[in-house]
Amino acid sequence: DAGITQSPRHKVTETGTPVTLRCHQTENHRYMYWYRQDPGHGLRLIHYSYGVKDTDKGEVSDGYSVSRSKTEDFLLTLESATSSQTSVYFCAISGGSTWGAGELFFGEGSRLTVL
Amino acid sequence: AQSVTQLGSHVSVSEGALVLLRCNYSSSVPPYLFWYVQYPNQGLQLLLKYTTGATLVKGINGFEAEFKKSETSFHLTKPSAHMSDAAEYFCAVSESGGGNKLTFGTGTQLKVEL
Repeated sequence: DAGITQSPRHKVTETGTPVTLRCHQTENHRYMYWYRQDPGHGLRLIHYSYGVKDTDKGEVSDGYSVSRSKTEDFLLTLESATSSQTSVYFCAISGGSTWGAGELFFGEGSRLTVL
Repeated sequence: AQSVTQLGSHVSVSEGALVLLRCNYSSSVPPYLFWYVQYPNQGLQLLLKYTTGATLVKGINGFEAEFKKSETSFHLTKPSAHMSDAAEYFCAVSESGGGNKLTFGTGTQLKVEL
C-alpha cells in the first residue's frame, strides 16, 4: 500500500475557529489532492497541488486554503470553520511511476464536525 | 467541463445475482474513466480504469466495465454478487492530459442480500 496518512482522523470544533488538516505521503508523488465527501454529493475536489508551492482551486474551494512547502506534506486550512464544512475530508495522491494516468490513492479520511 | 452521472443511489441484489451499476459521463475530450469502491470507514480503492485501447476492462474482485463511446457510458458489472461486495461504488472521469484531476459521481450503495 502507498504510504499516505491523514491527521487528525477525527475532530470536533466550534464555528469560527481555524482548523488545519494534514496529509503526509512517503511515496514522493507529484500530485496531491483534497476532496470532501458528503451524502448525495460524492467526492468534490477542494484544492490540488502539482508540486511544491504549486496549488490550484477545485470546484468547492471557497472557505479553504492549502499549502505545500514540502513534497510529502499538503495542508488544508479552514480559516474560520462553518457548519457547512462538516464533512469527511480525503487526501489523495498520484503521479508515481508505477501508476497510470489519473489513478489516485486515498488516505483513510478525516472526519470534521463543526458545531 | 467533465461530469459523471450514476443512476441509482442504492442498488440491492441477491447473493449470486448479476451486479450492474450504471455510469454515464460527459467530457469534451477523450476521457479516462474509473470505478472506485469504498468500504465503511475507509478511503476509496481503485477497482478498474479505462484509458485507451480495449474497451472492456477487468478489475479486481471479478468486476469489469465496458467503455461505450456512442452511449457515453461506463457501466460496472459482476456476474455473481458476493456478500463482501457490499460497499459504495463511485464512477469517476478525468480528461486525458488533465493533470489527473478526477470528477466523481455521487456514488451507488450496493447491498447484497442472502
